[in-house]
Amino acid sequence: LAKTTQPISMDSYEGQEVNITCSHNNIATNDYITWYQQFPSQGPRFIIQGYKTKVTNEVASLFIPADRKSSTLSLPRVSLSDTAVYYCLVMGYGGATNKLIFGTGTLLAVQP
Amino acid sequence: EPEVTQTPSHQVTQMGQEVILRCVPISNHLYFYWYRQILGQKVEFLVSFYNNEISEKSEIFDDQFSVERPDGSNFTLKIRSTKLEDSAMYFCASSELADNYGYTFGSGTRLTVV
Repeated sequence: LAKTTQPISMDSYEGQEVNITCSHNNIATNDYITWYQQFPSQGPRFIIQGYKTKVTNEVASLFIPADRKSSTLSLPRVSLSDTAVYYCLVMGYGGATNKLIFGTGTLLAVQP
Repeated sequence: EPEVTQTPSHQVTQMGQEVILRCVPISNHLYFYWYRQILGQKVEFLVSFYNNEISEKSEIFDDQFSVERPDGSNFTLKIRSTKLEDSAMYFCASSELADNYGYTFGSGTRLTVV
């Protein structure tokens, strides 16, 4: 399983764009990059998943460079309600397991 | 949007007692999971369940733990003899496919063992 590294915490202000970068130097060919969000005392919530280039949905964008050794979650114009822990997971398809392995994540604090 | 429902939201139990945590996964999902999160720590995998049997379990999921799908809608986690260190948030999750990491998690049950 590819090890991921992401900042422990980030601060932002309402209305700003926030970019959280995750490093995964030993990502494998069949690995996908998945991001989850967790609010206090709630279960993780799937945000976005990608394999390469750029993926966008109604919540966020995910940028993955050609070498796939890192990825960046972009949250446009954050609000106070975006304060949460964001997890980067690198998981392979077609393997023997489909369990999620969470790291410590990035605590994003959005201030007014 | 479909939800995974967990009950109760908070359970307090005495050490050594049995507890059953309940979950109603999303109706068309086939894969079910339990995770736990001790306060201030990572979310940890406990067990995955498919086709009425355990497909994978972690080292945490020892003989004190069991899972069951007693009917077509519920998915339960039983802890036979609770210990203080079992105090945690327990999250149920479900997914439609095996090779899909877009799981849907419930809001969790906070278990406090006293």
